[in-house]
Amino acid sequence: GENVEQHPSTLSVQEGDSAVIKCTYSDSASNYFPWYKQELGKRPQLIIDIRSNVGEKKDQRIAVTLNKTAKHFSLHITETQPEDSAVYFCAARQGSSASKIIFGSGTRLSIRP
Amino acid sequence: DTGVSQDPRHKITKRGQNVTFRCDPISEHNRLYWYRQTLGQGPEFLTYFQNEAQLEKSRLLSDRFSAERPKGSFSTLEIQRTEQGDSAMYLCASSVEQNHSTDTQYFGPGTRLTVL
Repeated sequence: GENVEQHPSTLSVQEGDSAVIKCTYSDSASNYFPWYKQELGKRPQLIIDIRSNVGEKKDQRIAVTLNKTAKHFSLHITETQPEDSAVYFCAARQGSSASKIIFGSGTRLSIRP
Repeated sequence: DTGVSQDPRHKITKRGQNVTFRCDPISEHNRLYWYRQTLGQGPEFLTYFQNEAQLEKSRLLSDRFSAERPKGSFSTLEIQRTEQGDSAMYLCASSVEQNHSTDTQYFGPGTRLTVL
């Protein structure tokens, strides 16, 4: 089955700097990769996603890149702000399933003022 | 509120008791998912429904766990003979099938279960 590895587990960056979170997946048939943000005590919320037929997607300060050959995908947050502090989860939809999504273990991002 | 809702938000129970959680998906979402999340981990897939049919179950879902979605709308997750290891946040999510590449899942607030 699918396995998703996420690094780093914690990340602290200065406000205004960029943050990068990296994930790898094992199932070469995976075709959909969402990223979720979870603030303390709240539900996971989708912030961006990418499909396997696209190499990069950007939405304002957030971008995601996908390397299908290497089975890597990354989240990039530029010009970080205090409200970006949260736990971020990458995920991959298992290729053999129409809907089953496997999550990484999360990255706790802290923005230093 | 038109988002996914879950009830109760918190449940404290004694080991050996049965508990039942409810999830109401976003209206018109035909897919419904249950996940379990423990501290410091990502959500772990448990099971999912398309309409009233339970299409996939994780190996994590022991025979003490059962989920239903009898009318294809709300769903219940029951845990029988609870154990301390069942303590976790139980998350529900829903999505609408458009095509295989855009099946965005929207999460509910979760039910936090504590087994004493």
